[in-house]
Amino acid sequence: QVQLVQSGPEVKLPGASVKVSCKASGYSFTSYGMNWVRQVPGQGLEWMGWISPNTGDTRFAQRFQDTVTMTADTSTSTAYMEMRRLTFDDTAVYYCVRGWLGPNPWGQGTLVTVSS
Amino acid sequence: NFMLTQPHSVSESPGKTVTISCTRSSGSIVSNYIQWFQQRPGRSPATVIYEDNRRPSGVPNRFSGSIDRSSNSASLTISGLRTEDEADYYCQSSGSNSWVFGGGTKLTVL
Repeated sequence: QVQLVQSGPEVKLPGASVKVSCKASGYSFTSYGMNWVRQVPGQGLEWMGWISPNTGDTRFAQRFQDTVTMTADTSTSTAYMEMRRLTFDDTAVYYCVRGWLGPNPWGQGTLVTVSS
Repeated sequence: NFMLTQPHSVSESPGKTVTISCTRSSGSIVSNYIQWFQQRPGRSPATVIYEDNRRPSGVPNRFSGSIDRSSNSASLTISGLRTEDEADYYCQSSGSNSWVFGGGTKLTVL
């Protein structure tokens, strides 16, 4: 079955960077794009961007264009989301989500806490 | 880009039917598919409806999706409500090279 397994929780200082991984299994990794979605505690879902593991093409929500990089390693079927210059407002659960159209399997989420 | 507007909360009794709306602010609701995600407390979201009205395998047929061109909105209907349906529900559609989420609706089954 399709599985997306994300890396564990992170605690970072303001101004630092974080890199979250999402290992895919149960399907052809290069056949589907991968989205990243975040959820600030107690709030709704926010789309961050998308990457095509096949071509490396990316799309970003405007607010993340300057601080987020998305990559994909086809040899290990793993997608990555790196966020730079973290602020307290970036404390959230980050999810990887397969595919532009549904059904869309979700990873289990990675809590990133920005704290001094 | 457009916005998707959902009611903040709805509540209904077990065994009853509830409908959650999702209204698109501009452009036609039929321009892009609508997905619905269920998020139970402390869990990741999961797809319950995709491509407007299709159910993933494993989702009971108590869940259905529909589109209403006249109100430019989509709806998620859950019949035979169970306590396990209590969750947040989000609609989602695709804009110009982006995903757009509704603000989410908290369903209480009491």
